[in-house]
Amino acid sequence: DQQVKQNSPSLSVQEGRISILNCDYTNSMFDYFLWYKKYPAEGPTFLISISSIKDKNEDGRFTVFLNKSAKHLSLHIVPSQPGDSAVYFCAASGGNTPLVFGKGTRLSVIA
Amino acid sequence: EAGVVQSPRYKIIEKKQPVAFWCNPISGHNTLYWYLQNLGQGPELLIRYENEEAVDDSQLPKDRFSAERLKGVDSTLKIQPAELGDSAVYLCASSLGGIRSNEQFFGPGTRLTVL
Repeated sequence: DQQVKQNSPSLSVQEGRISILNCDYTNSMFDYFLWYKKYPAEGPTFLISISSIKDKNEDGRFTVFLNKSAKHLSLHIVPSQPGDSAVYFCAASGGNTPLVFGKGTRLSVIA
Repeated sequence: EAGVVQSPRYKIIEKKQPVAFWCNPISGHNTLYWYLQNLGQGPELLIRYENEEAVDDSQLPKDRFSAERLKGVDSTLKIQPAELGDSAVYLCASSLGGIRSNEQFFGPGTRLTVL
């Protein structure tokens, strides 16, 4: 039973365009959401987070949107750069539930 | 500031052999995590330590897996005996704890191959 779902295993975007990565969750107790970025042979690195009291958080080129009623969040990267090519993991936590990760989406930014 | 250090980076063993992984968290981070990551999957929590106490080990297969965090700093994760299905990447992470527990810093992982 996957509590955090990333339904797109991969995404290709042209350099300079917007990348939109999506994530759905099922557990209503989740109240904190994070995105991690992972390069090959490295551990995941924290990218951006959002609390359930907000619906948007922005950090430079990265913006995370949260739609609590739909149990959906998305990560927008604008403009996309070749160095953004990586696997992106959505993660969620809340209550007594530790951090739960999705399966990841592989983003390829094409120059 | 040094990140989370893990060793070895790669390990190849035959099934039924024991194996151990070591993790040194970021200095000052009280909370330490061990995760398992299978190919094409996200990290899955095995065990979480608050200082030297294992506060969540519900997902740790205790028949063959064990972990310790002596003195609340470094930690080791052991598998004995290893099975073919244990082939995966084992990630260690650390965090400050409290309300900052969600912002975890990961090491590069140990890729285990069981033959």
